[in-house]
Amino acid sequence: GESVGLHLPTLSVQEGDNSIINCAYSNSASDYFIWYKQESGKGPQFIIDIRSNMDKRQGQRVTVLLNKTVKHLSLQIAATQPGDSAVYFCAEIPNSGNTPLVFGKGTRLSVIA
Amino acid sequence: NAGVTQTPKFQVLKTGQSMTLQCAQDMNHEYMSWYRQDPGMGLRLIHYSVGAGITDQGEVPNGYNVSRSTTEDFPLRLLSAAPSQTSVYFCASSLGTGAYEQYFGPGTRLTVT
Repeated sequence: GESVGLHLPTLSVQEGDNSIINCAYSNSASDYFIWYKQESGKGPQFIIDIRSNMDKRQGQRVTVLLNKTVKHLSLQIAATQPGDSAVYFCAEIPNSGNTPLVFGKGTRLSVIA
Repeated sequence: NAGVTQTPKFQVLKTGQSMTLQCAQDMNHEYMSWYRQDPGMGLRLIHYSVGAGITDQGEVPNGYNVSRSTTEDFPLRLLSAAPSQTSVYFCASSLGTGAYEQYFGPGTRLTVT
């Protein structure tokens, strides 16, 4: 079935280092992916998205990589800061068209000062 | 714009009680949805609506009702609360389903005793 999962449930990173959060998806027909950040006590917040016709997309300090061959998605955060501490979710559109997002379980990123 | 607003922020119910979680958005978004978030489970879709007068079930709809009489509001009703419905509930909206950014509300933390 369709599923979005994560390789690691928790990740601890030294401040200033780069963080890489991974996500696997099972539906090869998925054509849109989003990364969300959720801080404690708040709702998820959009970080960056990528369509299936792209391999890489960059934002401010964040980069999303999409490997369709192995159905893998990653979020890279450069120069990780304490404010990056949060739970990160990947989400996919399982089919082309008007279907809801499917969310993965999340990875907790802890930044060590 | 206020974005997506949810009330109440916290609620405690006894088993069997009913209540309505309110959600409103002022961005003229057609698509609205409700998620529940449990520890280790990520975000699971309860119900969603692609426009006024149209609702559909998500992954975990049992025990919840919704209606969409206006574009702005999308209330979630618990007819007879059960301890299994203890969770954090998030409402979200976007321009449409598919490849659109979803905006999340701050959440309602519900405890059923």
